[in-house]
Amino acid sequence: TQLLEQSPQFLSIQEGENLTVYCNSSSVFSSLQWYRQEPGEGPVLLVTVVTGGEVKKLKRLTFQFGDARKDSSLHITAAQPGDTGLYLCAGATNFNKFYFGSGTKLNVKP
Amino acid sequence: NAGVMQNPRHLVRRRGQEARLRCSPMKGHSHVYWYRQLPEEGLKFMVYLQKENIIDESGMPKERFSAEFPKEGPSILRIQQVVRGDSAAYFCASSLAGGLQETQYFGPGTRLLVL
Repeated sequence: TQLLEQSPQFLSIQEGENLTVYCNSSSVFSSLQWYRQEPGEGPVLLVTVVTGGEVKKLKRLTFQFGDARKDSSLHITAAQPGDTGLYLCAGATNFNKFYFGSGTKLNVKP
Repeated sequence: NAGVMQNPRHLVRRRGQEARLRCSPMKGHSHVYWYRQLPEEGLKFMVYLQKENIIDESGMPKERFSAEFPKEGPSILRIQQVVRGDSAAYFCASSLAGGLQETQYFGPGTRLLVL
C-alpha cells in the first residue's frame, strides 16, 4: 500500500510545454518535500513545504501544498530537456520518518 | 567533496553471501537514514540512526538485515545470506539534526545485484 500516490507515473512532453505533477494522500503530513532524481544518482531536494495552502516558486517550478496538507502539486513552466528526471514527493507524518511516493518519470524532448 | 558518500557504488553477490554497504554522512551530520529503491519506484524507509543508536528500524526486515552507526567510522547496512529479492538500490541520507523540517542529503546509492 502506497501512502503517497503520484500521478502521472510517466510523462513525455516537448520542450517548451507546461506540465503539472500531483502527489495525493488520505493522510495529513507535517511537511512535504519534492525531490528530483537522475539515473544512477541519489535524490536531490528541490523544496520543502510546511504550511497548508503554501505556494513556493523556484524559477520555472511552482510547488503548492494543499490546504488540508494531504496533497501537493509541482508545476513546471516551459519545460526544458534539463528538467528530465524522476520527480519524487515525500511526506513526513511522524518524527523523522519520510514516506516517498513512487515518482513521476518526466522526459522532455528537445 | 563534502557530500554524503556511499561505497561501493555497485555490488554483486551470489545468493547466500553477505553484503556490506557503507555510508559516510556529510561532515558534522549525526543523523543517518537508509532507504531502498526498486526500479521505477520511490524510496522505502528502512532505518534511522544517530551515533551509536538505532532510533527507528521499523522499515527494516527483522531477519538478515542490520544497521549500525558507530562512534567512529561510517554507517554500515549489512545484509546476511542475500537472496535475489534483495537486489535494489540502497540510498543513505544524512541530516544535521533531527526534526521533520531538517533537510536530508542523499548519497549516490549502492546498487546491489544478487545472482
